[in-house]
Amino acid sequence: KAGVTQTPRYLIKTRGQQVTLSCSPISGHRSVSWYQQTPGQGLQFLFEYFSETQRNKGNFPGRFSGRQFSNSRSEMNVSTLELGDSALYLCASSLVPPTGNDMNTEAFFGQGTRLTVV
Amino acid sequence: AQSVTQLGSHVSVSEGALVLLRCNYSSSVPPYLFWYVQYPNQGLQLLLKYTSAATLVKGINGFEAEFKKSETSFHLTKPSAHMSDAAEYLCAVDQGAQKLVFGQGTRLTINP
Repeated sequence: KAGVTQTPRYLIKTRGQQVTLSCSPISGHRSVSWYQQTPGQGLQFLFEYFSETQRNKGNFPGRFSGRQFSNSRSEMNVSTLELGDSALYLCASSLVPPTGNDMNTEAFFGQGTRLTVV
Repeated sequence: AQSVTQLGSHVSVSEGALVLLRCNYSSSVPPYLFWYVQYPNQGLQLLLKYTSAATLVKGINGFEAEFKKSETSFHLTKPSAHMSDAAEYLCAVDQGAQKLVFGQGTRLTINP
């Protein structure tokens, strides 16, 4: 069974540009979450999508957005890049039940996309 | 809001020595707690999780953690460190809707 796949693995962008990162979840997983990891702030939750709907959002500016497609693949977009957006962006997928409590459901992480803004 | 605090951003032990990585949580309800390991430029791998079924949780690679409600702790231990254990270790609490809140992480170094 293939794991969570993130593309590209590495990316270099210039300030002011925009970037789109892609995440393919494990087959059958309908929940996809995104996290930003930096040396100063650690791992921070960006947002989560389930069945094409954003269910939860972290405390990030509107420049950070995402979407999920009908096949559960997800993309996140960052517009007007700033130097501080340089980070490892991690995607995680989960097998969330359609109803009931989805806490304590294991999140499987991809290897991440390393974004460098220059 | 639930949160976790990891004491010690860097821990260094000798090969064969006990590994103890500390995690304290803050939660008004019974928490769901996780320990993840991250190798350089890699994603996170689940080591173990607390589900309230048992206070002592055994995970992969010989790691285990004990949930202590009275101390609001979920420390990670391994009796004998191996060189391959060198990595970043992250404690997390589940806030629901697949939102994990992570501690700052502890970098574990193993000395030969």
